[in-house]
Amino acid sequence: TQLLEQSPQFLSIQEGENLTVYCNSSSVFSSLQWYRQEPGEGPVLLVTVVTGGEVKKLKRLTFQFGDARKDSSLHITAAQPGDTGLYLCAGGDRGSQGNLIFGKGTKLSVKP
Amino acid sequence: EADIYQTPRYLVIGTGKKITLECSQTMGHDKMYWYQQDPGMELHLIHYSYGVNSTEKGDLSSESTVSRIRTEHFPLTLESARPSHTSQYLCASSEWGLTGTQYFGPGTRLLVL
Repeated sequence: TQLLEQSPQFLSIQEGENLTVYCNSSSVFSSLQWYRQEPGEGPVLLVTVVTGGEVKKLKRLTFQFGDARKDSSLHITAAQPGDTGLYLCAGGDRGSQGNLIFGKGTKLSVKP
Repeated sequence: EADIYQTPRYLVIGTGKKITLECSQTMGHDKMYWYQQDPGMELHLIHYSYGVNSTEKGDLSSESTVSRIRTEHFPLTLESARPSHTSQYLCASSEWGLTGTQYFGPGTRLLVL
């Protein structure tokens, strides 16, 4: 069974701090997605990475896919209260009927 | 911006009632999914579909059923709701391809009294 382990599970920081969220697996994925979800809403796609070693930037967010395509990280620079939410990583695998494998999420709280 | 819609957004009903949660997408995606999620917790896949007339059970056993008569429509039905069905239900869709990226609807929050 493929698993995606996210860490940390909870993160509470002050506005302006930097943070990194990790997503790790022993399995290789064909792609890796990051989503952000606010309470009572559906997850919103932030980025998809498909190439080992790939780095993508979205304003203050930097996403990296590991060289071996088994892990990924999300780094937020100068966090703001609007970044608060549940961050989910999901791995794409052709073997599992093409369905995504989701991590359990990281709950981020950014205090003003 | 993903074009996937869910209705109702919120539903409060009594035990034993039959309910249908609606999900529609206008992106022409073949694959659609239903997830169950308790507040702030992980997603659990309960149903998915590869296309019209295709339905499969997901990783989490569910008493709900689904149908896929049209590409754009993937409703979920509970014949007799119980308090244990209280949760948030998320619908998603994706196209066939390398990434399998899924696009989610806003969800339906169900409360069964």
